[in-house]
Amino acid sequence: DAMVIQNPRYQVTQFGKPVTLSCSQTLNHNVMYWYQQKSSQAPKLLFHYYDKDFNNEADTPDNFQSRRPNTSFCFLDIRSPGLGDAAMYLCATSRETTLRDEQYFGPGTRLTVT
Amino acid sequence: AQKITQTQPGMFVQEKEAVTLDCTYDTSDPSYGLFWYKQPSSGEMIFLIYQGSYDQQNATEGRYSLNFQKARKSANLVISASQLGDSAMYFCAMREGQGGGADGLTFGKGTHLIIQP
Repeated sequence: DAMVIQNPRYQVTQFGKPVTLSCSQTLNHNVMYWYQQKSSQAPKLLFHYYDKDFNNEADTPDNFQSRRPNTSFCFLDIRSPGLGDAAMYLCATSRETTLRDEQYFGPGTRLTVT
Repeated sequence: AQKITQTQPGMFVQEKEAVTLDCTYDTSDPSYGLFWYKQPSSGEMIFLIYQGSYDQQNATEGRYSLNFQKARKSANLVISASQLGDSAMYFCAMREGQGGGADGLTFGKGTHLIIQP
């Protein structure tokens, strides 16, 4: 029944060591999103893909990259994690990008940077 | 300026009572959608209800209803007959039309709701 799957649920990385978070979906949705949610804060959109078209938010740091090799999978790469990148990373999907298209969220990956 | 404002950081409510969670928004786009999500301690965001800017009636989904007051730019969530399982963070979010395709959601800071037995 799992629809949006994120692995791992918990990730610990060292300061400056590249890390990749993964997201997969069984919904065959066109759109996949990555959000960053720091402790006690609102989720913040980092970027999204419509099919293979990548859309970066203006204030997303260059340190964050993403790949979508096929419809089902999307990856978030943090090239050189800093202590400030410790957060919950939420992946979401939607069928389309119309206003009423609901976003389906995965359970998130909690990233710790040591 | 914040696009979504949730003024209640935390609320305590007795079980079986109704609860209203406040949300005001700011946009100049005539086309927008408003969402409420629930986030339990497990972390997953769960969609609750949607209201479109052109919808004539207030949205309802089971025990959830949205009190949409367009002129006041408010979209308060009402939970009737609250249950212990309703304890969670609740986020109000908006998606703007921007004249074409809509993008991601802009979230408020959330309200931490605790239902007491």
